[in-house]
Amino acid sequence: GIQVEQSPPDLILQEGANSTLRCNFSDSVNNLQWFHQNPWGQLINLFYIPSGTKQNGRLSATTVATERYSLLYISSSQTTDSGVYFCAADPNTGNQFYFGTGTSLTVIP
Amino acid sequence: KAGVTQTPRYLIKTRGQQVTLSCSPISGHRSVSWYQQTPGQGLQFLFEYFSETQRNKGNFPGRFSGRQFSNSRSEMNVSTLELGDSALYLCASSLAGGGADEQYFGPGTRLTVT
Repeated sequence: GIQVEQSPPDLILQEGANSTLRCNFSDSVNNLQWFHQNPWGQLINLFYIPSGTKQNGRLSATTVATERYSLLYISSSQTTDSGVYFCAADPNTGNQFYFGTGTSLTVIP
Repeated sequence: KAGVTQTPRYLIKTRGQQVTLSCSPISGHRSVSWYQQTPGQGLQFLFEYFSETQRNKGNFPGRFSGRQFSNSRSEMNVSTLELGDSALYLCASSLAGGGADEQYFGPGTRLTVT
């Protein structure tokens, strides 16, 4: 299977700061998604972004498929943004996601 | 439209027992995938079902099995539980699978094996 690497593993921000989370993947992918895992464990969909750029409020994401990476931007961070962010990639091996190890974000007031 | 639901949400079992977890996908979704999340191994793929057929399987022992019903609801079963099976089990649904569909996850079942 493909390797999915996320960086940084941990991030601490002051409220209002901006951040960039990175996801590198080792092979071409059919699907790439970003998730935020809430304190109860549920994975909340942020972006479905196998290629291109999308924006949703303070969050945006860019995937450069030819260079095998994706970026998640969080602007004007809020304490409610705290949690673990995962990217997951599917190299078209049958609807199987390979997950990165996540970025744990803490936003302090 | 209701999201993916999983039951039960929490479960405590004893080593050697077996357990069955249930997942109901979003209405109209026909693909259901299962994942295990542990602190040591992270999120790992178990298997994927589409139209009652297992299409893909991850690298887990045969004690882990699943099935899908005609209404797309899925169950996974773990027999002869081991302490290492303690984990959060997540299921995801998508329209048709095949890798290109957006996947939506349920709230998970947290299994503790004592």
